[in-house]
Amino acid sequence: AQSVSQHNHHVILSEAASLELGCNYSYGGTVNLFWYVQYPGQHLQLLLKYFSGDPLVKGIKGFEAEFIKSKFSFNLRKPSVQWSDTAEYFCAVNAKGGGADGLTFGKGTHLIIQP
Amino acid sequence: EAGVAQSPRYKIIEKRQSVAFWCNPISGHATLYWYQQILGQGPKLLIQFQNNGVVDDSQLPKDRFSAERLKGVDSTLKIQPAKLEDSAVYLCASSPAGGYGYTFGSGTRLTVV
Repeated sequence: AQSVSQHNHHVILSEAASLELGCNYSYGGTVNLFWYVQYPGQHLQLLLKYFSGDPLVKGIKGFEAEFIKSKFSFNLRKPSVQWSDTAEYFCAVNAKGGGADGLTFGKGTHLIIQP
Repeated sequence: EAGVAQSPRYKIIEKRQSVAFWCNPISGHATLYWYQQILGQGPKLLIQFQNNGVVDDSQLPKDRFSAERLKGVDSTLKIQPAKLEDSAVYLCASSPAGGYGYTFGSGTRLTVV
């Protein structure tokens, strides 16, 4: 079974600061990797995903993530955050191939951007 | 395209009562998932359907939870009887196939008192 660990549960930054949220996963096989965002009162939205190819993935709203296979990591980055980035961020994985492809999520990181 | 529809948005029940949640996935999406999101945690998969068959229900507490997806379209998740620890947001998601794209609904927030 897969597991996902997000190291930072609460992060507070000022606007224009750079962001990096850590995500590590545990699984013996090949995985697909995802980052989701949940703005207050809204549903989960996909930020970006990695299936194969270039390990540096660009997503919406200026976010990017890098898959480092040797470290089982998929950290999320943004060079300059905005107040509107205040939200809950979830890293998730699923096993590549096979029928059971439900996502395993980390516990999330609550990001607060101060104006 | 229309999103994943869930109802009700909110539900408050007493412990030992029963409750049901409904989900209508995106048209044409063969795969449907139910997740439980407890406050302060990430969503946890409860059950996955492929059309009207169950693919994965390994984390579903089968003594009190049940789910069905008749005709391979909409789905119902039931809890009977509810416990205090079932208080959570219940999310439905759907995917066309292959685990490469998921769309989540807004969820049903259940409070058990």
